[in-house]
Amino acid sequence: DGGITQSPKYLFRKEGQNVTLSCEQNLNHDAMYWYRQDPGQGLRLIYYSQIVNDFQKGDIAEGYSVSREKKESFPLTVTSAQKNPTAFYLCASSALLGNEQFFGPGTRLTVL
Amino acid sequence: GESVGLHLPTLSVQEGDNSIINCAYSNSASDYFIWYKQESGKGPQFIIDIRSNMDKRQGQRVTVLLNKTVKHLSLQIAATQPGDSAVYFCAENESGGTSYGKLTFGQGTILTVHP
Repeated sequence: DGGITQSPKYLFRKEGQNVTLSCEQNLNHDAMYWYRQDPGQGLRLIYYSQIVNDFQKGDIAEGYSVSREKKESFPLTVTSAQKNPTAFYLCASSALLGNEQFFGPGTRLTVL
Repeated sequence: GESVGLHLPTLSVQEGDNSIINCAYSNSASDYFIWYKQESGKGPQFIIDIRSNMDKRQGQRVTVLLNKTVKHLSLQIAATQPGDSAVYFCAENESGGTSYGKLTFGQGTILTVHP
């Protein structure tokens, strides 16, 4: 999966709890991204980061938060404000913003 | 915002046939396009890309064609194999626009290859 790891592969949480999804890359890429994928759907951008300590909202940022304290790490927190958090979450990185993106294996989050 | 879409949501072919997956895009300013393959439960895998200064680009068993006049992108897979069965996404990016760096993905086409 191109040097990008996401953990865990499956995650279960109770409704109302915040949960943080991990994303680490060893590709020395500057840009990182978080996408959400629902069954039978394409990818929708949640947040992206061009460089350390900087990040921008994507198309569906409500109910999510991110941080970029280290170049190799871009964790995503799914907060209780996210109305429908059950989905497949994909992290990606690229050498620069706009270049080819490499994806991690994904985390499937199920909120019970 | 503008989006990328696909003509056919599913495609079934016999092993050994050639496959053609189509994609229409609406942003005429898009200048970079990528095809990804996603197997069940996995992250998308890069197949091939093309920039708008090209009409055709070939890889191993795959060819991407870009028709800017009608804003159409296609992925051709030669001698399709069962291992090619997956969902295929096209994605586009406008390098000079306010959405720079943000890939816009199509809905995807499910390719099923029958032995």
